[in-house]
This record gives sequence, structure tokens and C-alpha cells, in this order.
Amino acid sequence: SQQGEEDPQALSIQEGENATMNCSYKTSINNLQWYRQNSGRGLVHLILIRSNEREKHSGRLRVTLDTSKKSSSLLITASRAADTASYFCATDATGANSKLTFGKGITLSVRP
Amino acid sequence: DVKVTQSSRYLVKRTGEKVFLECVQDMDHENMFWYRQDPGLGLRLIYFSYDVKMKEKGDIPEGYSVSREKKERFSLILESASTNQTSMYLCASSRLRLGYEQYFGPGTRLTVT
Repeated sequence: SQQGEEDPQALSIQEGENATMNCSYKTSINNLQWYRQNSGRGLVHLILIRSNEREKHSGRLRVTLDTSKKSSSLLITASRAADTASYFCATDATGANSKLTFGKGITLSVRP
Repeated sequence: DVKVTQSSRYLVKRTGEKVFLECVQDMDHENMFWYRQDPGLGLRLIYFSYDVKMKEKGDIPEGYSVSREKKERFSLILESASTNQTSMYLCASSRLRLGYEQYFGPGTRLTVT
């Protein structure tokens, strides 16, 4: 069953602009994670936010979590062409024995 | 740095063949996972393991089996490959049980003809 649903499915922006991606989920979670995947490669972990946290920063990344709305957003500031990739949210649902459930992903294109 | 390696980047097999996909991690992680990734469907969990000789079914275990004889190695087995198992297969590992990030291998693109 799909827990995380990302929005939009695809995003195209100009280099230097900010990119905002959203994720909604259905059940209670222990944490929510964001991953990046470059074309044809494995996923790379970006950031993890726990259910008792509301905001987290890592370099140009900012993640927010609203457990009342069951949603999260990933903001990439001052985007670069190298940020072009697919981005996935993954939820670690309460009682799921640490299994992650991934969304279908957002394709981000950053135009130089 | 954690390193997760997979035995092949690309693999072509015939229908009915037995296929082994190997995954090795070098960080002494307890958890290991096998996913398949298909366009429009995202990542789906096939099997996972919390410890040596332990395995648990994921969301789509049918047609697959796994083996974990050593902590660092987790194998995915397609007993009799079929064309609908053509996919990208991703292995991952993580520490402990409680919500740590997963580290992924580069993936194996399997084509069954």
C-alpha cells in the first residue's frame, strides 16, 4: 500500500530558483525521510525528520513536517542543474517494524 | 562511508532461468532490504531481513525468495524468471530497527526475455 504521495509529479525550474516538493501520508509515523535518485542509480538519503520535529535544515535543504495535516515539504533553495533528479519521500509508519514505504517520486528538472 | 554493492548493474536472463542477485554491505548493518522499482509504481518492498537467517515478506514477495547466511550479504532469488520480473532491483541496508536511514546500492537492471 502506498503511504507517501508526492506532489507535484514533475517540476521544472530555472537554476537559482527555489524548488518546493510536497508529500502527504495516511497513518501515524515515527519519521519521514527524503531521498534523491539520479537517473538509473540507487537512492541517496537526504534528510530525516522525526515525528516530534517540525522543521529541519541541511545545507540548501529545508524540510517541514506537519503531523496534524499528515504532510511534509522539501524545499531546495538556490537550485543548481546538479539538483536535477527524482525525489522520494518515505515514511516509517508506527508499528511497521522499521519498514519504509516510498512514494512514487517527483521528477525535478533544473534548467541551466 | 557506507558502501552497498550489487553483483551486476545490468543482467539479461531468459524466461524460466533461476536468477541470483547478490547484495553486500560493509557497515555491519542489521537490516537489509530488496526493492523493485518500476515506472509509475515507485519502490516496492519485496523482502527484508533483520538478522542472519531471518527474513520477512514485504509487499510483493510472490515469485521471489531470499537468503541471508552472513550478516553482510543478502541474496534475492528468482526461482523461475518471468517477463513481468523485468525491473530495476535495489538493495538497501540500515542500522537497527527503529527508523534509521537506508543506504542503497546502485541497482541491477534485470531484463527477462
